[in-house]
Amino acid sequence: DAGVIQSPRHEVTEMGQEVTLRCKLISGHNSLFWYRQTMMRGLELLIYFNNNVPIDDSGMPEDRFSAKMPNASFSTLKIQPSEPRDSAVYFCASSREGVGDTQYFGPGTRLTVL
Amino acid sequence: AQSVTQLDSQVPVFEEAPVELRCNYSSSVSVYLFWYVQYPNQGLQLLLKYLSGSTLVKGINGFEAEFNKSQTSFHLRKPSVHISDTAEYFCALQGAQKLVFGQGTRLTINP
Repeated sequence: DAGVIQSPRHEVTEMGQEVTLRCKLISGHNSLFWYRQTMMRGLELLIYFNNNVPIDDSGMPEDRFSAKMPNASFSTLKIQPSEPRDSAVYFCASSREGVGDTQYFGPGTRLTVL
Repeated sequence: AQSVTQLDSQVPVFEEAPVELRCNYSSSVSVYLFWYVQYPNQGLQLLLKYLSGSTLVKGINGFEAEFNKSQTSFHLRKPSVHISDTAEYFCALQGAQKLVFGQGTRLTINP
């Protein structure tokens, strides 16, 4: 079975542009997590969904960030407008909906905002 | 509030030597504990997890960890490391469904 798939793997954009990151969950999983990793702040949970419904978005930095699950197997994280401080590696992870269930991480998208 | 502290940001060891990566947690409720490994330019992979039962948990690649409730610790150990163990290691706790990660420990193996 394929793991979590993220695209693109690398994105370089200019300040002010819109950026869309994509994530495909593992088949059978119904929980989806978006994380951001930087040297300064480490791994931060941005938002997570259960059964396509956002459960906790308290980690979303500001209104420039939005995340959706248009269907059970796919999610997008959008940044509009992007800023240099958004430069980071963004990971999504999926799991079954259960406390203690393992989260499986994708390979990440490395975002650079110039 | 829940938190995880990894006491060492970097740990250098020689190949075939034993290693211990330290993790302490803080939580007012029961938690589940995890160790993940991140190889360069990759996502995180689960090494092992503690949910309940035996406090000694064995994971992949010869790693094990011991849950100590009285000391609120979950240290990771391997009796003999290999060059391929060079990576960053993250301790995490899960109270509800969210994972709270420590800052990570970079393990470097010297030949």
